[in-house]
Amino acid sequence: GQSLEQPSEVTAVEGAIVQINCTYQTSGFYGLSWYQQHDGGAPTFLSYNALDGLEETGRFSSFLSRSDSYGYLLLQELQMKDSASYFCAVIDGSNYQLIWGAGTKLIIKP
Amino acid sequence: AAGVIQSPRHLIKEKRETATLKCYPIPRHDTVYWYQQGPGQDPQFLISFYEKMQSDKGSIPDRFSAQQFSDYHSELNMSSLELGDSALYFCASSFYGGEQFFGPGTRLTVL
Repeated sequence: GQSLEQPSEVTAVEGAIVQINCTYQTSGFYGLSWYQQHDGGAPTFLSYNALDGLEETGRFSSFLSRSDSYGYLLLQELQMKDSASYFCAVIDGSNYQLIWGAGTKLIIKP
Repeated sequence: AAGVIQSPRHLIKEKRETATLKCYPIPRHDTVYWYQQGPGQDPQFLISFYEKMQSDKGSIPDRFSAQQFSDYHSELNMSSLELGDSALYFCASSFYGGEQFFGPGTRLTVL
């Protein structure tokens, strides 16, 4: 079967750095994506890793290790507006379907 | 830049009624996806279309059906609505299996 695991909730302080981990078990792995979703809003694409290594986009970075079936999203210089749920999702290479993790609720305190 | 458009944004229906949700993908995107998201849950994949043909089916109830039209817009038809169908319904589009761009969603409330 296919499954993803990520922490249900992470708390951090404004201005700090936080890492959200994601481990996965899938067949036909094609890539790991991260989405941000504010309460009541639509998921917004953040990043995509198909190859091992770190991808940096502004304050957000995403890492993938295919040999460990593991990735993480790193958020730096946290701002209150970063309070949201963050989903990792694996792209199934057989049908390009997104398999979602349960999401990590990021709580940021002043 | 153009984004995915969904209508209506909010919909209230009674049990056993029918609802139709519409999605207009980003121009030149060839794949449309429908998701259902309950409170505090991750998006559940319902169905997808590639070039107007159904490409994959997820946890879509038999009471639901969907299609994609010649202008690439898609409609999700939901019949015999149940209380448990109350959720956010998202449409997403992508180009050739690339990153999915989500619409703002339709919030369906079944009373």
